Amino acid sequence: ILNVEQSPQSLHVQEGDSTNFTCSFPSSNFYALHWYRWETAKSPEALFVMTLNGDEKKKGRISATLNTKEGYSYLYIKGSQPEDSATYLCAFYSGGYQKVTFGTGTKLQVIP
Amino acid sequence: DSGVTQTPKHLITATGQRVTLRCSPRSGDLSVYWYQQSLDQGLQFLIQYYNGEERAKGNILERFSAQQFPDLHSELNLSSLELGDSALYFCASSRRQGDEQYFGPGTRLTVT
Repeated sequence: ILNVEQSPQSLHVQEGDSTNFTCSFPSSNFYALHWYRWETAKSPEALFVMTLNGDEKKKGRISATLNTKEGYSYLYIKGSQPEDSATYLCAFYSGGYQKVTFGTGTKLQVIP
Repeated sequence: DSGVTQTPKHLITATGQRVTLRCSPRSGDLSVYWYQQSLDQGLQFLIQYYNGEERAKGNILERFSAQQFPDLHSELNLSSLELGDSALYFCASSRRQGDEQYFGPGTRLTVT
């Protein structure tokens, strides 16, 4: 069983605050790291697909970085808005057949 | 709308029974993933198919089986159902292995 951990488990921030969370994964046998956004009563939606050490991706106010050598990825949200409230999941892909392991997620609540 | 469809939306059945969940991937996607989300649990990867072949297996019980058909739709069969099998079952598809996944709306299974 691969250990993919996300921290913090939950987070409450004020509207306008910037925030970040962490995904830790095994540093060996890396294939890809994905970030997903999961709103309540909906299905997860992909944010980023990251494959190379040092990758930095950005979509609007959300960005992510990847360090495969030390086994972590950061997700940043700049100027949080209430619509950013969701659970953010990372998914680690390993091995030749890309077995996928999801973290348990960071639940973000943005308070207006 | 992700383009991934799952049927049925809800399913209520008794212990010991067998059910089949169906998933149609997005047009052009060759890879199909199945996940289970139990109460207060994260997404547990069950199994992945690519172009009709099983490619990766996660925490799938022996009572569960799946297949992907020539038209690329997939079915997840759950047999000898137990109360603990009650969960939300998601299907996701991607163009190739390791690409971002598009999730269906899920099938809510309740075993009574």
